Amino acid sequence: GESVGLHLPTLSVQEGDNSIINCAYSNSASDYFIWYKQESGKGPQFIIDIRSNMDKRQGQRVTVLLNKTVKHLSLQIAATQPGDSAVYFCAERGNTGGFKTIFGAGTRLFVKA
Amino acid sequence: GAVVSQHPSWVICKSGTSVKIECRSLDFQATTMFWYRQFPKQSLMLMATSNEGSKATYEQGVEKDKFLINHASLTLSTLTVTSAHPEDSSFYICSARDDRARNSPLHFGNGTRLTVT
Repeated sequence: GESVGLHLPTLSVQEGDNSIINCAYSNSASDYFIWYKQESGKGPQFIIDIRSNMDKRQGQRVTVLLNKTVKHLSLQIAATQPGDSAVYFCAERGNTGGFKTIFGAGTRLFVKA
Repeated sequence: GAVVSQHPSWVICKSGTSVKIECRSLDFQATTMFWYRQFPKQSLMLMATSNEGSKATYEQGVEKDKFLINHASLTLSTLTVTSAHPEDSSFYICSARDDRARNSPLHFGNGTRLTVT
């Protein structure tokens, strides 16, 4: 199930199940969205991205959905594996203001074997 | 793939001293780099945009005189935490934008864990 802790929300799933991680973004002017995975003590690692002219994009085992009407992003991970355990961040970027990439709150994913 | 190297990976310093963190793009040029700070169990907060050949742009609430940024070349940006205090202890992460692929996602270093005693 999904729960909200003091800082990062946590999602716990069984190995082999599908995971869905949600994110609300803040700036309606953002036109580029990215999902990153961060393992403990490391920098963020790119997973998948999507531009605002699309509402769905698929990669290997991952799918990103974008709903601009409600400013919502989701990351779907198929057949979740123990190696998927990490913190996942959505990030947004506009095409003005120096193209800054702003990170969302993050979700910690635990995969139970 | 594009690699960003950050050094040191961890550092411990005494209160009142200064610490320099380096961020290098190893196989691409980066006119623009970004510095983030991350506290435990929190998200990455953008501190500043580092621009080669011009002054850095700081986010609201970030003291430019405390966090000195120098973008010395197209492959190197440095962040110096001056007169560090325990509250500056954090995980500092740099990222770089490939000049050949400005619309692509940022490439991140593996961070520097700063502990101020």
